[in-house]
Amino acid sequence: NAGVTQTPKFRVLKTGQSMTLLCAQDMNHEYMYWYRQDPGMGLRLIHYSVGEGTTAKGEVPDGYNVSRLKKQNFLLGLESAAPSQTSVYFCASSAPYEQYFGPGTRLTVT
Amino acid sequence: RKEVEQDPGPFNVPEGATVAFNCTYSNSASQSFFWYRQDCRKEPKLLMSVYSSGNEDGRFTAQLNRASQYISLLIRDSKLSDSATYLCVVRLDTGRRALTFGSGTRLQVQP
Repeated sequence: NAGVTQTPKFRVLKTGQSMTLLCAQDMNHEYMYWYRQDPGMGLRLIHYSVGEGTTAKGEVPDGYNVSRLKKQNFLLGLESAAPSQTSVYFCASSAPYEQYFGPGTRLTVT
Repeated sequence: RKEVEQDPGPFNVPEGATVAFNCTYSNSASQSFFWYRQDCRKEPKLLMSVYSSGNEDGRFTAQLNRASQYISLLIRDSKLSDSATYLCVVRLDTGRRALTFGSGTRLQVQP
C-alpha cells in the first residue's frame, strides 16, 4: 500500500519555466490537497479538490493551477515559476478524520 | 495575526524530562484539533487527535480548552526519538475540511 506518492522529489527551475507536480493516492479518498511549507511557517493551503473533476482555491493560489481528472491523481502546475515559489510542496489526501501526506517535493526556482 | 500560534522553540530537554507545548487558535468555529509530528525534511504525520475531555496515548497527553481556544501537548519521559517539530493543527469539519497549521515547535531531546 503506497499511500500518497509525489513526483518528482526534487526539482530546480529557472525563473519563467513551467512544471507539473504529480500526486497520486491509492486509498480511494475523495478529498485531496496541495500545501506549501516555507521556513518558519506552517503548511499553507494552495488548492484543494473534493472529488474527481473539482478543484478550488486555498489561501495562497496565485501562480498555481491544478487539475483532478482522475480520482487518484491531483496535479499542481506552475505556469511561469518565480523565486517566491521556492518551497517544499506537500500533497495530502483525506479520510474523514485524518489527512495523509506525501513525502514532499523540494522545488528551487533560481 | 496567525490563525494558529505556537512557540517555535527550540525546546532542549534531557532524556526522561517532561515537556509541554501550547498553542492558541483564533477561529472559534474550529471543530477538530490535532497534533502532528514532523521530522526533519519529512512529511507531517498525525501524532494524536485532541478531544475536549483530554486524551492520552502512552507518554503523550493532549488537552483542549475551547473557551480559551488553547491546545496543549505534554510529553512525559522524553526519548531521543521524540526529537522533532510538533505542529498544532485545527480544522473546520465542513466544506473543504482543510487543515490549518501552526508553524511548529521544535523539540530536541539531549542524551
